Amino acid sequence: SQTIHQWPATLVQPVGSPLSLECTVEGTSNPNLYWYRQAAGRGLQLLFYSVGIGQISSEVPQNLSASRPQDRQFILSSKKLLLSDSGFYLCAWSVISPLREERGYTFGSGTRLTVV
Amino acid sequence: RKEVEQDPGPFNVPEGATVAFNCTYSNSASQSFFWYRQDCRKEPKLLMSVYSSGNEDGRFTAQLNRASQYISLLIRDSKLSDSATYLCVVNIYNFNKFYFGSGTKLNVKP
Repeated sequence: SQTIHQWPATLVQPVGSPLSLECTVEGTSNPNLYWYRQAAGRGLQLLFYSVGIGQISSEVPQNLSASRPQDRQFILSSKKLLLSDSGFYLCAWSVISPLREERGYTFGSGTRLTVV
Repeated sequence: RKEVEQDPGPFNVPEGATVAFNCTYSNSASQSFFWYRQDCRKEPKLLMSVYSSGNEDGRFTAQLNRASQYISLLIRDSKLSDSATYLCVVNIYNFNKFYFGSGTKLNVKP
């Protein structure tokens, strides 16, 4: 069965510090991978998505970046965090079946980031 | 205009009540539709897909109206454990991404 791992669960970082969040997927090949952010009391904002190794699409210009060094690994980074980067960061994957039937996202358990 | 719009609520209902949420989407090329449930401070989890003919899963019924571009979720015999935020999601294949509504909060009270 497919599983998605995301860590750490919680993180408190000072303004200006770097960030690296990692997400790995098991039990599937060539998934579409996504990074979302959810600010307190708000909806999900798509940050990046990737359809393959080294292929990253950015949805929102900001001081974050993403990389996909391996098929099932997706990394979210920042060189210098801002207070506004605080939020709940969620990694997700999806697969399109041969019948082009989307089966929805499966989310990781998320990282709650507080920038202080 | 947002791709997906939902009434944020909250919907406050007593146990045993029937409650319905609607969600509208703007892109007529949308091809897949889902309802997700998100508990407080947790990740969203897939509740059910929404099929063109409508579908039911226990106390939950989902409907799709392509002509009017909305989907609905009906919850019968509400339980306290149904309290959560319900997210409407649509997908357009060519864009390889899903669009989320901001969610509708449901509070089921004893």
